[in-house]
Amino acid sequence: GQQVMQIPQYQHVQEGEDFTTYCNSSTTLSNIQWYKQRPGGHPVFLIQLVKSGEVKKQKRLTFQFGEAKKNSSLHITATQTTDVGTYFCAGRGTGFQKLVFGTGTRLLVSP
Amino acid sequence: GAVVSQHPSWVICKSGTSVKIECRSLDFQATTMFWYRQFPKQSLMLMATSNEGSKATYEQGVEKDKFLINHASLTLSTLTVTSAHPEDSSFYICSARSERGETQYFGPGTRLLVL
Repeated sequence: GQQVMQIPQYQHVQEGEDFTTYCNSSTTLSNIQWYKQRPGGHPVFLIQLVKSGEVKKQKRLTFQFGEAKKNSSLHITATQTTDVGTYFCAGRGTGFQKLVFGTGTRLLVSP
Repeated sequence: GAVVSQHPSWVICKSGTSVKIECRSLDFQATTMFWYRQFPKQSLMLMATSNEGSKATYEQGVEKDKFLINHASLTLSTLTVTSAHPEDSSFYICSARSERGETQYFGPGTRLLVL
């Protein structure tokens, strides 16, 4: 079945440093979504990417969908303590299949 | 954005009892609802997909007699954990999707602790 892996599993940065998490799918995706889950909270939808090579920005967050639609990345510029949480990518295969969540990257930001 | 609620937000029960969790879409009609389970520091694992008025589709390894799902209306799905045991303790999260939408809206989750 479809598998979605993320690296790194965990990253600890100083406030102001940049952060990137990478998402790789075993199969081609029709779209990919990114979620943020704060400690003790539930996943909150951040963005959806659909087109090959698509890049979207939300303030300090930059999302990218690979050309082959099998990988994606989330880059945070100048992290803040409010960025703490686990970031999940979630990919949907072709044919409107179920959403498969990645393994997640836990981000810790020290002031 | 769309709102999905879950009730209860947390529950503690004795081993052997059954627990019902409700998931409601508050401002849209959810033709499809999904139930996920998340263990501490792990990802969300899809348990089952339910479509309004039909039987749920369970993922491999998920016991349908253990986790009963009922999607009786376009705004309500329920998950009943029957004869709960300590290993069923987890964070259960539902999400809902409208007929034409690809975005899934997640509920706040239910923390279940079975003693």
